[in-house]
Amino acid sequence: QVQLVQSGAEVKKPGASVNVSCKTSGYTFTGYYIHWVRQAPGQGLEWVGRISPNSGGTNYAQKFQGRVTMTRDTSSSTAYMELRGLTSDDTAVYYCARNNYGVFGPDYWGQGALVTVSS
Amino acid sequence: QSVLTQPPSASGTPGQRVTISCSGSNSNVGTNSVFWFQQLPGTAPKILIYNSFHRASGVPDRFSGSRSGTSASLAISGLQSEDEADYYCAAWDESLNAFVVFGGGTKLTVV
Repeated sequence: QVQLVQSGAEVKKPGASVNVSCKTSGYTFTGYYIHWVRQAPGQGLEWVGRISPNSGGTNYAQKFQGRVTMTRDTSSSTAYMELRGLTSDDTAVYYCARNNYGVFGPDYWGQGALVTVSS
Repeated sequence: QSVLTQPPSASGTPGQRVTISCSGSNSNVGTNSVFWFQQLPGTAPKILIYNSFHRASGVPDRFSGSRSGTSASLAISGLQSEDEADYYCAAWDESLNAFVVFGGGTKLTVV
């Protein structure tokens, strides 16, 4: 069965970087885009970006340009998201999700990784 | 401030039909597909509607999507208590600033 399993919760200091992993299984990793979406506590959803596991090509929301890097390791079917220059506004649950419908129709999601930024 | 505008709340009684609106612009809803998600507390979002009208696999036909101009709507008929959740619309945006934009979400209460 399709699974996306994310790394665990992280606590970071302002200015630090965080790397969240998303290990996939149960399907052909290179066949589906991976999106990253975040949700601050009590807030709505926000798209961070996407990666093509096949080509490695990425698209990032302009808000995160220069601060985020998405990569993948096809040998382990794992996607990664690194976010740098963390501030308290980056405190959120970060989800990875496999796209299956149209340009943004994720059908399977990771369990989410809580990133807390606090001094 | 979200790019797409949704009402913050909606409510209905069991069996009723409710609609949730999503207003955008020509760079997103007006020209691109709309997606609808349901999020239960403490869980990841679940896709309901893709490409404005199509139900995702396993989604009951009580859920339907529509689009007209720069607005889209999600309709839920035969409302059930388990439909109480947050609902989000999203769309691809052709402007230079964004690829995927979300609405702020609508909290649906089944009274």
